[in-house]
Amino acid sequence: DTEVTQTPKHLVMGMTNKKSLKCEQHMGHRAMYWYKQKAKKPPELMFVYSYEKLSINESVPSRFSPECPNSSLLNLHLHALQPEDSALYLCASSTHRGGRPYEQYFGPGTRLTVT
Amino acid sequence: GEDVEQSLFLSVREGDSSVINCTYTDSSSTYLYWYKQEPGAGLQLLTYIFSNMDMKQDQRLTVLLNKKDKHLSLRIADTQTGDSAIYFCAERRSGTYKYIFGTGTRLKVLA
Repeated sequence: DTEVTQTPKHLVMGMTNKKSLKCEQHMGHRAMYWYKQKAKKPPELMFVYSYEKLSINESVPSRFSPECPNSSLLNLHLHALQPEDSALYLCASSTHRGGRPYEQYFGPGTRLTVT
Repeated sequence: GEDVEQSLFLSVREGDSSVINCTYTDSSSTYLYWYKQEPGAGLQLLTYIFSNMDMKQDQRLTVLLNKKDKHLSLRIADTQTGDSAIYFCAERRSGTYKYIFGTGTRLKVLA
């Protein structure tokens, strides 16, 4: 089973709202990722957690706040977003081989619209 | 440059072979991947190749790697209408958790 689940599937929020995106995997993967994908573009890396510690933050604005409560869960907390933050947000997790990430599996994404 | 380059669009007839090309950037990248993305969906890992290999075959998929030219290709044999999607190559930079994705190739299969 190579399933990564994400909730919600769709989210519409105003610029003053606070919301959270959730991601879950039960494959024992120790690295988890958030990506942002705009239409007709490749995914852009936002954050990486390795062994529940934040290892990469790609200079993401502080209105996006990641959290990794345990090895199976990854959250992305959203606050005071802008309309240009509307995108597909993808979660992924990866296997390890020799201490290095190996196969990366994606969830179905959350389609976020900021009004 | 920093971008992983792919041609934007490819159109083939059903039953023909498709070849999608990718030029990556980092010669030290250890794993190179191909993903498929259908409309409104996440990315599906199709196959990958380790940098010490020249070729990998997986059912209808054949991956060729030319390390000297930093060129990767994906051949899909007997292409079907269900193969219509966007295909992304990706490289994982050595020593990091960073996966860098190509610009994506939209494959359209004509019946």
